[in-house]
Amino acid sequence: GDSVTQMEGPVTLSEEAFLTINCTYTATGYPSLFWYVQYPGEGLQLLLKATKADDKGSNKGFEATYRKETTSFHLEKGSVQVSDSAVYFCALTPGAAGNKLTFGGGTRVLVKP
Amino acid sequence: GAGVSQSPSNKVTEKGKDVELRCDPISGHTALYWYRQSLGQGLEFLIYFQGNSAPDKSGLPSDRFSAERTGGSVSTLTIQRTQQEDSAVYLCASSANQGARAFFGQGTRLTVV
Repeated sequence: GDSVTQMEGPVTLSEEAFLTINCTYTATGYPSLFWYVQYPGEGLQLLLKATKADDKGSNKGFEATYRKETTSFHLEKGSVQVSDSAVYFCALTPGAAGNKLTFGGGTRVLVKP
Repeated sequence: GAGVSQSPSNKVTEKGKDVELRCDPISGHTALYWYRQSLGQGLEFLIYFQGNSAPDKSGLPSDRFSAERTGGSVSTLTIQRTQQEDSAVYLCASSANQGARAFFGQGTRLTVV
């Protein structure tokens, strides 16, 4: 079945540092890929998504590129802020019209001032 | 409503008791999902509703778990004869239709003692 693997945390960074969270997936067909974020005390929110190979999703300074050849969707941000402290989840659905999300285990990121 | 609403936000119950968790999706959203977030298991899909029917209930962990949706709106997840391993945060999400962006509620934290 479909699966998502992401790097374990916690990841601790200083403000303005570069952040990368690795995510790889296993799926049949052509899944859609997502990054969700869960800020402390809040619900899961969609951060960005990509629905086909070589698409780049971006939002709030975060970017991730759908790499079919390496089955990866790594999340990057060039300069993190304290407010980026959260848990980040990589996820996929089976296709553009898919329904259920399959999530990775989540990566906790802590940004220190 | 403005967002997905779940109640109660916290529930402590004794082992062996039944519990009901409620989800009010965003008005007009036809698709509704239940997920479970637990330590060591990450985020797991439980069940998906399209309207009042559940075409995918493959994630329900045992026959103690059931869910229904009435009027194409509110959904109730019922856990019978709760066990300690049922302790988790139960998340509900809704989307305008299958494949559209899913919006998550803040979850119900269930603790079985």
